[in-house]
Amino acid sequence: QSALTQPPSASGSPGQSVTISCTGTSSDVGAYKYVSWYQQKPGKAPKLMIYEVTKRPSGVPDRFSGSKSGNTASLTVSGLQAEDEADYYCNSYGAGDGWVFGGGTKLTVL
Amino acid sequence: QVVLVQSGTEVKKPGASVRISCEASGYPFSRHHIHWVRQAPGQGLEWMAWVSSGSDEPKYSQNFQGRITVSKDTSANTAYMEVRSLRSEDTAIYYCGRDFGWSIDYWGPGTLVTVSS
Repeated sequence: QSALTQPPSASGSPGQSVTISCTGTSSDVGAYKYVSWYQQKPGKAPKLMIYEVTKRPSGVPDRFSGSKSGNTASLTVSGLQAEDEADYYCNSYGAGDGWVFGGGTKLTVL
Repeated sequence: QVVLVQSGTEVKKPGASVRISCEASGYPFSRHHIHWVRQAPGQGLEWMAWVSSGSDEPKYSQNFQGRITVSKDTSANTAYMEVRSLRSEDTAIYYCGRDFGWSIDYWGPGTLVTVSS
């Protein structure tokens, strides 16, 4: 099962909104509601930001939101802050191989 | 609070095996699956396997089928992963994580495994 496709980089100025896409197939992203997003800062373990496409765990700012259309899921960060600079990974349950991650997107706050 | 504690750094020679442990606390261990994910230096996350909270068979990524084994000791609140026939490309940080509705809500700190002759 191939990795989900994410843009390698994204950027925005403080206060702006940025959307990161995650494209899969009809066997993973398109088939299930189990899409999640993780934030990873250097030297740290990933942190869950979004689960089941749109849900935010307790403690995650509401500036982070998730959506899905067809085989593509998206993470939107509104009101960008310097602390949002990190790598972001999407993940989906998929038929066959169980789970698959995206290649990751480096978000830079200009 | 939920905490996952992993075993320490390992240095192995090519062809060897390594066993990593993940001890959970702060929640009923038997209620959540445990996932194993690795990250090679400068690379992205790669899902490897999960071990069921119940009696289901473990699920392995096709990329690792036959070369890894995951297990658990419920009495010790600990999950394990063994990787065999190590090669240099297996040099990575290996994470365990608690399943939460097919996401990972709590992650261990990671175990660095270096494979070098």
